[in-house]
Amino acid sequence: QKEVEQNSGPLSVPEGAIASLNCTYSDRGSQSFFWYRQYSGKSPELIMFIYSNGDKEDGRFTAQLNKASQYVSLLIRDSQPSDSATYLCAVKTGGGNKLTFGTGTQLKVEL
Amino acid sequence: ETGVTQTPRHLVMGMTNKKSLKCEQHLGHNAMYWYKQSAKKPLELMFVYSLEERVENNSVPSRFSPECPNSSHLFLHLHTLQPEDSALYLCASSQDVAVYNEQFFGPGTRLTVL
Repeated sequence: QKEVEQNSGPLSVPEGAIASLNCTYSDRGSQSFFWYRQYSGKSPELIMFIYSNGDKEDGRFTAQLNKASQYVSLLIRDSQPSDSATYLCAVKTGGGNKLTFGTGTQLKVEL
Repeated sequence: ETGVTQTPRHLVMGMTNKKSLKCEQHLGHNAMYWYKQSAKKPLELMFVYSLEERVENNSVPSRFSPECPNSSHLFLHLHTLQPEDSALYLCASSQDVAVYNEQFFGPGTRLTVL
């Protein structure tokens, strides 16, 4: 079982729709969770982080964490073509120095 | 300069060459990281430095040799690489290695080994 799993996609959504990106992780001791956006040929850019169960909203982005189900998601409201990118989920376990990444989900927002 | 910078942005080298990648962070952070990103694979953590001391070494081949002379600079020295080492090498920094600190990435060095 992979430590951090994401559907590679591509996930296609129409402009203006809600894009839902999902991530599961295997280590129950994981304590912090990050979403990065990576445009083709560019480096990852931090979008959001979440530590506590529940929802965290920042503009058009909402991160959702369910530690019991070992599941974290990112919702993008009013999706724009500029949101088309690969979204990387990353998980950090308490006491460790390692940030473990998933392979990423490619999002395509179509006009 | 702001954020995390990396040089060179692109590098082509032969298997017998020796080269170095440079990373500099202008964020006042105390931790720095090297990652490797290959196609269709997750980012792989290579090395972690905290206050210039290496705290993580993820079974990386000895042909990759990191150096952290101070908390703002990080190098990755390369020698006798293999074609499968061709990848995007990313540097990142964070305030420290605590679990709740986010990492910020540099633009990366695209390495091609011939």
